[in-house]
Amino acid sequence: GAVVSQHPSWVICKSGTSVKIECRSLDFQATTMFWYRQFPKQSLMLMATSNEGSKATYEQGVEKDKFLINHASLTLSTLTVTSAHPEDSSFYICSARGWDDGSPLHFGNGTRLTVT
Amino acid sequence: AQTVTQSQPEMSVQEAETVTLSCTYDTSESDYYLFWYKQPPSRQMILVIRQEAYKQQNATENRFSVNFQKAAKSFSLKISDSQLGDAAMYFCAYRRGNSNSGYALNFGKGTSLLVTP
Repeated sequence: GAVVSQHPSWVICKSGTSVKIECRSLDFQATTMFWYRQFPKQSLMLMATSNEGSKATYEQGVEKDKFLINHASLTLSTLTVTSAHPEDSSFYICSARGWDDGSPLHFGNGTRLTVT
Repeated sequence: AQTVTQSQPEMSVQEAETVTLSCTYDTSESDYYLFWYKQPPSRQMILVIRQEAYKQQNATENRFSVNFQKAAKSFSLKISDSQLGDAAMYFCAYRRGNSNSGYALNFGKGTSLLVTP
């Protein structure tokens, strides 16, 4: 089946620094990738949608200057949390969709970010 | 905006028994997809089953089946012969039909399923 690889699986950083999370589709071309955020015992909240070669579309309330998304190729999207603060600590999950309109989303294993 | 409601925060089932998780949604679209995802403690999102709205036949995947009632906007998941490995958080999800959104998923709040021996 389709595999989405997300790295790192966990990261600890200091306040004010930036962290980059990578999301790769290993065996299919992902026309669209999505970034979700999940707080403990809560649901997944969509942060942004990225299409290869174009600017990401952010959901209302998500700061585009804080959460930089780059989708440079059909197999790689990155999320950079800039000037991280403790309130940015969360579980971030990427997902990808292939060419087929009916294809389900395939999820990465997620990244647990802790900002100290 | 489409909303997905899971009214059962927690459910419990005995091993080998059957349990049904409920999900309702709100939409004005006629063409869409519905999904159930499972999230075990590892937090990996695992697709359980999906349903195309234009198909009247309920989807089935081994021990997992759905009861899709389009008019009622209801999409429940039935797990038969429950196993200990079924214990997880289950999320119902609606896929937006608008291609401009890239077909992102809207998730319900989830139902935590406990399976007892």
